Amino acid sequence: DTAVSQTPKYLVTQMGNDKSIKCEQNLGHDTMYWYKQDSKKFLKIMFSYNNKELIINETVPNRFSPKSPDKAHLNLHINSLELGDSAVYFCASSQGYSPLHFGNGTRLTVT
Amino acid sequence: AQSVSQHNHHVILSEAASLELGCNYSYGGTVNLFWYVQYPGQHLQLLLKYFSGDPLVKGIKGFEAEFIKSKFSFNLRKPSVQWSDTAEYFCAVMGSTNAGKSTFGDGTTLTVKP
Repeated sequence: DTAVSQTPKYLVTQMGNDKSIKCEQNLGHDTMYWYKQDSKKFLKIMFSYNNKELIINETVPNRFSPKSPDKAHLNLHINSLELGDSAVYFCASSQGYSPLHFGNGTRLTVT
Repeated sequence: AQSVSQHNHHVILSEAASLELGCNYSYGGTVNLFWYVQYPGQHLQLLLKYFSGDPLVKGIKGFEAEFIKSKFSFNLRKPSVQWSDTAEYFCAVMGSTNAGKSTFGDGTTLTVKP
């Protein structure tokens, strides 16, 4: 059973489009995250939700909007996609101080 | 604020060589420390973690790390690497007042030559 699953795995789209990435975890964790990994492999936190409440919102363009309908789901919607948004986006979950459990990533390519 | 510095960006070793990857953190309090590994094309997986107690922690696949509080370090070691250890390695810190917020280092690319 996949603990943290995200879809789609690959996403190719044109500049200006709007797209969404979905994430679900079945670990019962209270906290979920979105991380962005750029072409140099740098990993940066974007958002974190705890029990559907936004607790971390790093410096991210407001074109990115997370939504958490319940504590097992955290989706990421991106408006007006730009070339610089191309990256791998990882969803993750954790409980308190526990290590992060990552999803398999969504490779977003904006052309 | 918390931060992590990984000294080696790219390490190239031959099989059976010993490995040590450096990690230093900055945080004015108690920390939880992690090493994650990312195999090519895959997601990050936990290698090992330090919360408290014995500063020498053992993880999966023969990896270990030593927490040296006086040096703010948490270096990763393996006595004999294998080709399958080729991957990206990330050190991460979570301060005691930052539950749920891990800060990652920039990663070290390890290439093991057969």
